[in-house]
Order: sequence, then C-alpha cells, then structure tokens
Amino acid sequence: GAGVSQSPRYKVTKRGQDVALRCDPISGHVSLYWYRQALGQGPEFLTYFNYEAQQDKSGLPNDRFSAERPEGSISTLTIQRTEQRDSAMYRCASSLNPRGGEQFFGPGTRLTVL
Amino acid sequence: AQSVTQLDSQVPVFEEAPVELRCNYSSSVSVYLFWYVQYPNQGLQLLLKYLSGSTLVKGINGFEAEFNKSQTSFHLRKPSVHISDTAEYFCAVSEVNRDDKIIFGKGTRLHILP
Repeated sequence: GAGVSQSPRYKVTKRGQDVALRCDPISGHVSLYWYRQALGQGPEFLTYFNYEAQQDKSGLPNDRFSAERPEGSISTLTIQRTEQRDSAMYRCASSLNPRGGEQFFGPGTRLTVL
Repeated sequence: AQSVTQLDSQVPVFEEAPVELRCNYSSSVSVYLFWYVQYPNQGLQLLLKYLSGSTLVKGINGFEAEFNKSQTSFHLRKPSVHISDTAEYFCAVSEVNRDDKIIFGKGTRLHILP
C-alpha cells in the first residue's frame, strides 16, 4: 500500500476484555515499531521487529501486552485483560533501513477502555 | 539511555513571524536527531533529520534545525510561519548504529495567531 495502515482506527472496549490491534507496514520495510501515545505526551516506544524477529520488547508495560509479526509483514499488538490505564493512541511505524532510516507512521488506533 | 526535553509545551506566534522551537537531548553515545510534526487529526510526519555531516539541516515546509553538539541542542526554526503550520512538533533521538527505538520529547504545540 501507499503508507502504513492500522486497524481499527478506533476501539472501545470494556475493562477486562482482550483487544488486538493490527499494523500493515509499507511493503518491503524491514523494521516495524509500536509506540503508545498518551494525551499530551510524545509517543513512547513499546517494541520493534526486524523481519519477523522481535528485537526489543523493553517498552511493553507488563505481560498483558504482547506483539507478533509472524511473516515479517503485518503485526498484531495484543492487550489482554484491558484496564482503563491502557487507554491511549497506539501508533505503528515502519522503516526500510532500521539504522537511522525514516520511520513512517500510521494513523494510529485510538483505544478507549471503559 | 537517551532523553529529550522540549522546553516549551505551547508556543504562540503571529502569522509571518519567525519561530524557534527548542529541543535539548541527553545521551552518553552519538545520536541521530529528528523533528516530527503532527497536524490535527493526522499521523506523525518527518520534518527533518540529522544523521551526520552538516549541522544545519533543512526539512520540508521551510523548516530547518541546527545540531549543536556542545549544547546538546537541536532547535527547530522557520523564518516566517503560516497558519497551516499549526500543529504539534516532536523532537526525537535514536542511538547511532543501532536499529532501535526513537525516544520522543513531550511535544510543542505551535499556535499561529492571525
């Protein structure tokens, strides 16, 4: 596709439910990143992949958060047993060259946990 | 570990006036530096980046930034702003030679006054 796409764009869920957020990177991009952006804050790193390998998951807040990219393209960020504090904009980015290359961001998924 | 400080959370400026958005960073290693812009209801877009070489970097939409290693700063400037520059601007760093996460500042909201 022309850019990074994310789905759904908006997700409202009840506390305790699991959610899966999808990211479709730019075709051919090696690296895929997940960030979380709270209101009034800058994006905060969660995790990233080179191809299908998860390189760094140090930013995941706790073990309710997980991510995968099984075929080195589409990635899914899963949040289990959601809590109200998980409400935020979740942003995905991809880059062709992981070392200093430009990261292209998707439109984000706005998650609201009631 | 790296960190980014954007000294102003909001900057009001009159249309056609010059603007400077300040950014300081902290790192024990060499870094790449970025400015991203987020227009209302849109995703993040790269304005400009410093990887190496000339310390004055020119970006899109007439913006430029200067890397000052001694002052660990990367301030963003534009000589004459337009109403369309209304957006939130994020300064960011990543570690050189690592395909790693980007660390973002908290953002500066630029308000253009008519």
